[in-house]
Amino acid sequence: ETGVTQSPTHLIKTRGQQVTLRCSSQSGHNTVSWYQQALGQGPQFIFQYYREEENGRGNFPPRFSGLQFPNYSSELNVNALELDDSALYLCASSLVGTSGGYEQYFGPGTRLTVT
Amino acid sequence: GENVEQHPSTLSVQEGDSAVIKCTYSDSASNYFPWYKQELGKGPQLIIDIRSNVGEKKDQRIAVTLNKTAKHFSLHITETQPEDSAVYFCAASLYNFNKFYFGSGTKLNVKP
Repeated sequence: ETGVTQSPTHLIKTRGQQVTLRCSSQSGHNTVSWYQQALGQGPQFIFQYYREEENGRGNFPPRFSGLQFPNYSSELNVNALELDDSALYLCASSLVGTSGGYEQYFGPGTRLTVT
Repeated sequence: GENVEQHPSTLSVQEGDSAVIKCTYSDSASNYFPWYKQELGKGPQLIIDIRSNVGEKKDQRIAVTLNKTAKHFSLHITETQPEDSAVYFCAASLYNFNKFYFGSGTKLNVKP
């Protein structure tokens, strides 16, 4: 087990609704990255938070937003849900220092279904 | 941006045989290459990684090789066991951005 936890485990939402997913990072880690994993595909980078600021973003629209809190936990918010947003959402925590960072450890994910 | 390709998409081996999964990347600036194992219903688990200043790394039955010139890296699993059955993902990253680009995955089936 990595020590990264995510909630909820599963979620069913209707198109047009909004959703908030939560992640608690591994003890001692200061960075959280969020990924979207569609069925049968590799994870795709959404964005990363470091010291409560967004630190890089993938090709996702602005309706995907996030927050990082002083205890390094994080939230992913998705507005105006679309059917294509149905996926496994993964968060990964890491320790990033002045010389960069390497290992990312993933949580179990939140399975989001949009109907 | 970075593009990571992974082959094969499925791999079936007999218990005790070796398995090799290959990945190529496009951005020569990438310098960190982790491998993840994902079991059904779970998040990806880091199993081994390699940095660009090293050509090979081993951890018991698992090894990873990196060819920076050709921009490809491979995962080698020896003496495979049924519990090795899972989906394996490679990834590439530029460490100071800490953003991973994943391959599409290889479903490994180890037959007893």
